[in-house]
Amino acid sequence: DGGITQSPKYLFRKEGQNVTLSCEQNLNHDAMYWYRQDPGQGLRLIYYSQIVNDFQKGDIAEGYSVSREKKESFPLTVTSAQKNPTAFYLCASSILSGDIQYFGAGTRLSVL
Amino acid sequence: AQSVTQPDIHITVSEGASLELRCNYSYGATPYLFWYVQSPGQGLQLLLKYFSGDTLVQGIKGFEAEFKRSQSSFNLRKPSVHWSDAAEYFCAVGLSGGYQKVTFGTGTKLQVIP
Repeated sequence: DGGITQSPKYLFRKEGQNVTLSCEQNLNHDAMYWYRQDPGQGLRLIYYSQIVNDFQKGDIAEGYSVSREKKESFPLTVTSAQKNPTAFYLCASSILSGDIQYFGAGTRLSVL
Repeated sequence: AQSVTQPDIHITVSEGASLELRCNYSYGATPYLFWYVQSPGQGLQLLLKYFSGDTLVQGIKGFEAEFKRSQSSFNLRKPSVHWSDAAEYFCAVGLSGGYQKVTFGTGTKLQVIP
């Protein structure tokens, strides 16, 4: 079945540590996205990528980094510079940017 | 920049009652419009979309939405709510052409009471 796989489902970060969230899709979509979801704030865009080796900052990119070396993969690193990383992180993809997005099941990140 | 407003943070309806969730957007041209649903701890699933053409669009699970250009609205409706519809609903707006992103509203949490 085609879809988007996010791993792990739960992740814990220690103070000063970088952690990487995985996002893989087998839908052959060009565009991929990372969102952060906090209660009452909806989805806020962290980074998005339309094609391999290209990505753009979203609305809340500070403290995060991404790479897009393969079409099917768009990992997100939460760096130690992100002082409030506790949130639900969602990855999505679409055929074209601005189009219907297909979402993974999310990763919940907490701080130890 | 485009924006999306969902004025109702939380709505409670009785099972079998009708439902309308409000969504207003701000953008000069006609955007792409979407409604998504999210169950607790899960990702979002597309309910329906409007790109062009007929302003009344049908979606999955018996939902429909109507695009009203004059009111910049795209409200979601269902004639009879089922307990399984309890979830959070997000309206979103996207743009055609070029390197565009989708902007999501803050969501409306729907509670269904027996």
